[in-house]
Amino acid sequence: KNQVEQSPQSLIILEGKNCTLQCNYTVSPFSNLRWYKQDTGRGPVSLTIMTFSENTKSNGRYTATLDADTKQSSLHITASQLSDSASYICVVSDSNYQLIWGAGTKLIIKP
Amino acid sequence: DTEVTQTPKHLVMGMTNKKSLKCEQHMGHRAMYWYKQKAKKPPELMFVYSYEKLSINESVPSRFSPECPNSSLLNLHLHALQPEDSALYLCASSQPSLAAYNEQFFGPGTRLTVL
Repeated sequence: KNQVEQSPQSLIILEGKNCTLQCNYTVSPFSNLRWYKQDTGRGPVSLTIMTFSENTKSNGRYTATLDADTKQSSLHITASQLSDSASYICVVSDSNYQLIWGAGTKLIIKP
Repeated sequence: DTEVTQTPKHLVMGMTNKKSLKCEQHMGHRAMYWYKQKAKKPPELMFVYSYEKLSINESVPSRFSPECPNSSLLNLHLHALQPEDSALYLCASSQPSLAAYNEQFFGPGTRLTVL
């Protein structure tokens, strides 16, 4: 069964600190993996998209990694800001371009 | 213009009402999507339109009726909804090609409450 699992479910860190969110997937065949940021009550915003051949991609303070062999991805946030408080969702696309969504990690940045 | 807009932002309706949600994009995308998102859950795909034709219906009840009048607009007509249909309804658009990077751009959503 195609699944995407994320950890932790929630995370609280102090402003200015770094953090790493994890995503494990069992989607096969694999097309690409995306990380979205979703503020409460708003639509998701794409942070990165990676295909099989890409193992790291950055977008400002966000850096995503992908290990297609172990089917794991991580999202690293550097020098966190209060505006980073949101849910971060890992989404994997199969060869039919269906999106399999993870449950998300709720990140809270405290001053 | 890289924005997907949705109206209204909030909607409260009774179970006997008929209402519509609207979505618009001007990015030249030819695939448009409706998702339903309950609190603390990921979005669930409802419908996909490709080149203005319905290509995917994820077994959605008939009280939800999608419509794609042209390549820029997507509507979701609502009738005889149930309280459990209360959710955030998200619209998204993308290129319909089979390229790996068929990124979906999401609108801000309509928060629907059914009384």
